[in-house]
Amino acid sequence: AQRVTQPEKLLSVFKGAPVELKCNYSYSGSPELFWYVQYSRQRLQLLLRHISRESIKGFTADLNKGETSFHLKKPFAQEEDSAMYYCALSGTAGSNYKLTFGKGTLLTVNP
Amino acid sequence: ETGVTQSPTHLIKTRGQQVTLRCSSQSGHNTVSWYQQALGQGPQFIFQYYREEENGRGNFPPRFSGLQFPNYSSELNVNALELDDSALYLCASSFPVGDYGYTFGSGTRLTVV
Repeated sequence: AQRVTQPEKLLSVFKGAPVELKCNYSYSGSPELFWYVQYSRQRLQLLLRHISRESIKGFTADLNKGETSFHLKKPFAQEEDSAMYYCALSGTAGSNYKLTFGKGTLLTVNP
Repeated sequence: ETGVTQSPTHLIKTRGQQVTLRCSSQSGHNTVSWYQQALGQGPQFIFQYYREEENGRGNFPPRFSGLQFPNYSSELNVNALELDDSALYLCASSFPVGDYGYTFGSGTRLTVV
């Protein structure tokens, strides 16, 4: 079974501080991992995916298969980063195209 | 290029009734997925449609059904509504099948009383 765990419901940091949103997953195979973000009054949107190895808006995430983690990091948080962040997983085998989401972490960046 | 649009935005139904939610996929996208997001939870996969056929289903009972039309728009139907069906229903489109870069709609907020 696929499972995504985001241990922190709420995370509050000050502007300029480093931020790390934790994500652990459970999947018997090679998953694809994603981070989605939802800003206030906006729709859910893709932030980044591990296979593209990009840095989006200063955020990076490294897939650690040994620790089954995909933590999202940013060295210097900005106020506009305040949003709800969801980690999601999809299996790559067969026709399993569904995304399994974690419960989300609400990030607040204080001035 | 238009995004994913869902209608209606809000809906109130009585327990036992039936409801139909609609989704227009982003231009050029031929795959539509539906998700249910209960309060305080992440979205949960209901099912996916590709070329008018169901292409995967989550752990939802048969009273949740769907359709995809030749123009790739889609409907989600829920029969015999229960109080626990109250949630935000999200539609997401993508292209091609297997591309997980979904574009999400704003959702339909369903309240069952």
